[in-house]
Amino acid sequence: QVQLQESGPGLVKPSETLSLTCTVSGESISSYYWSWVRQPPGKGLEWIGYIYSSAITNYNPSLKSRVTISMDTSKNHFSLRLTSVTAADTALYYCARARSSSVFDLWGRGTLVTVSS
Amino acid sequence: DIQMTQSPSTLSASVGDRVTLTCRASQSISIWLAWYQQKPGKAPKLLISKASSLESGVPSRFSGSGSGTEFTLTISSLQPDDFATYYCQHYSGSSRTFGQGTKVEIK
Repeated sequence: QVQLQESGPGLVKPSETLSLTCTVSGESISSYYWSWVRQPPGKGLEWIGYIYSSAITNYNPSLKSRVTISMDTSKNHFSLRLTSVTAADTALYYCARARSSSVFDLWGRGTLVTVSS
Repeated sequence: DIQMTQSPSTLSASVGDRVTLTCRASQSISIWLAWYQQKPGKAPKLLISKASSLESGVPSRFSGSGSGTEFTLTISSLQPDDFATYYCQHYSGSSRTFGQGTKVEIK
């Protein structure tokens, strides 16, 4: 059974960098596209970006200048880095498997990140 | 960027009702549309891809239709487990955008 688990700090100060990791169990991350999606409290879903095979990345244009997604196949995990955060980046961050880079068919439980001093 | 607009924002219905949710794209996305169900405190669940292709294990009371810019998700007979928020998502081109969601609540 494939499972995804997000991890990382729950509190980040404004202007600093948010860093999260998604650990995948039950299958190799080399075989699929992997994505990050976030959801501000009480609001809708926002796609952040995806990565495939450490070489292909695609980011939401509205976040592109601040986002980096990377992967470590030896640890079977992928990571999100979001720089210069503000309160608007406060959200529940989900990692997800992106089937053929298109739809998100498997999700982690999400991790809440609050941006506050 | 392609924008996705869902209507209504909230829908009040009773168990057994047939309900239809709408999602409109700001430009044609062919059939590259998915629907998700999200319950409070849970991650979204993929219901439908390619506008009308039901995911394995999803009850047959759910159906999707549409192409181009207008799409619908229909629940033929609303069940207690179906009260949730539903999101559409396009995957045309390089970007991925969700609609703002439709909350289906108990009437």
